[in-house]
Amino acid sequence: DAKTTQPPSMDCAEGRAANLPCNHSTISGNEYVYWYRQIHSQGPQYIIHGLKNNETNEMASLIITEDRKSSTLILPHATLRDTAVYYCIVSNNTDKLIFGTGTRLQVFP
Amino acid sequence: GAVVSQHPSWVICKSGTSVKIECRSLDFQATTMFWYRQFPKQSLMLMATSNEGSKATYEQGVEKDKFLINHASLTLSTLTVTSAHPEDSSFYICSAEAGDTQYFGPGTRLTVL
Repeated sequence: DAKTTQPPSMDCAEGRAANLPCNHSTISGNEYVYWYRQIHSQGPQYIIHGLKNNETNEMASLIITEDRKSSTLILPHATLRDTAVYYCIVSNNTDKLIFGTGTRLQVFP
Repeated sequence: GAVVSQHPSWVICKSGTSVKIECRSLDFQATTMFWYRQFPKQSLMLMATSNEGSKATYEQGVEKDKFLINHASLTLSTLTVTSAHPEDSSFYICSAEAGDTQYFGPGTRLTVL
């Protein structure tokens, strides 16, 4: 079973920030938080991952709470092409990835 | 980021035939690759872990004699669906490990008639 809980769906206006939450209250000390997204009929795309510090790359920012029990993926300026299912996964980097049901993000004009 | 390719991108076959799907890491070497299956409107389900030079590890409920995995080199893993039946129709996706991250291929859509 997936170790994370995400809302099933979210909407976001184009150009606005999309904040996608994820709960992982049973995360272990050596487990990372990974985010992937899947656009319809394509393979998942890696977005970002982190252990305990906040992370930022060209795609997104990852904010992890101090107790590491939850995190938020931030897409700073959502576009229509960001419409996808977003998966939050916890894994120690030698483990297989277990996908939950994710959050379906719909970006509207 | 690291690039993973799959071939073919789609295949249609008759029931009872075997189908081979290739997964390649294009710009890195991967000792470990993974095979997933995704049915419509469902999430990805891990089928097996493919290790270069050794036998694959299958998840519970996945028939190893039906889904043959070969990881012959550090850049290639193959999944062969033997004696395919309509219930094997699905979206098959591979991933390869680069460092501490898995990168996914674009997927192969298999339709068994």
